[in-house]
Amino acid sequence: GENVEQHPSTLSVQEGDSAVIKCTYSDSASNYFPWYKQELGKRPQLIIDIRSNVGEKKDQRIAVTLNKTAKHFSLHITETQPEDSAVYFCAASKGAGGTSYGKLTFGQGTILTVHP
Amino acid sequence: EAQVTQNPRYLITVTGKKLTVTCSQNMNHEYMSWYRQDPGLGLRQIYYSMNVEVTDKGDVPEGYKVSRKEKRNFPLILESPSPNQTSLYFCASTGGGHLQQYFGPGTRLTVT
Repeated sequence: GENVEQHPSTLSVQEGDSAVIKCTYSDSASNYFPWYKQELGKRPQLIIDIRSNVGEKKDQRIAVTLNKTAKHFSLHITETQPEDSAVYFCAASKGAGGTSYGKLTFGQGTILTVHP
Repeated sequence: EAQVTQNPRYLITVTGKKLTVTCSQNMNHEYMSWYRQDPGLGLRQIYYSMNVEVTDKGDVPEGYKVSRKEKRNFPLILESPSPNQTSLYFCASTGGGHLQQYFGPGTRLTVT
């Protein structure tokens, strides 16, 4: 089955710096890669996703890149703010049409701390 | 308001006592899923359902059952709970124009 490895497990940055979280996946058939943010005591929330027919996607301060050949994808957060502090999860799926329909395998999570 | 609800939110039970965690969504989504979250292990999918009467195993289905008799409901059943099923459980549904996955608020289960 699919295996998703996420690094680093913890990341500490100063406010205004950039943060990068990387994930690798094992199943070359995976075609949908979402990222979730989970604040303490709350539910995960989708922050950005990318499908295998796209190499990069950006939404304001957040961007995701995908390298299908190397089977890895990364989350980039620029100009970090204290409210970005949370646990971030990557995931991979080979759902129909590049969706999260079907089996979704998550990485282990990254605890991001942004210091003011 | 579009939402996914779970009940109960907190549950303490004893080994072997059957329990059901309910999940309901009001967005008419076809796809629903159950996850458990454990420290250091992230989120692991237990079961998912593509539509009414269509369910399939995720990565950790052992010890769990699900049913999907109606589109809006997707209950998680633990026939004989054991302490290793102590965890935080999330239900989720997927749909909408961007096929976004919405999570419920979570159910914290303790099995003694």
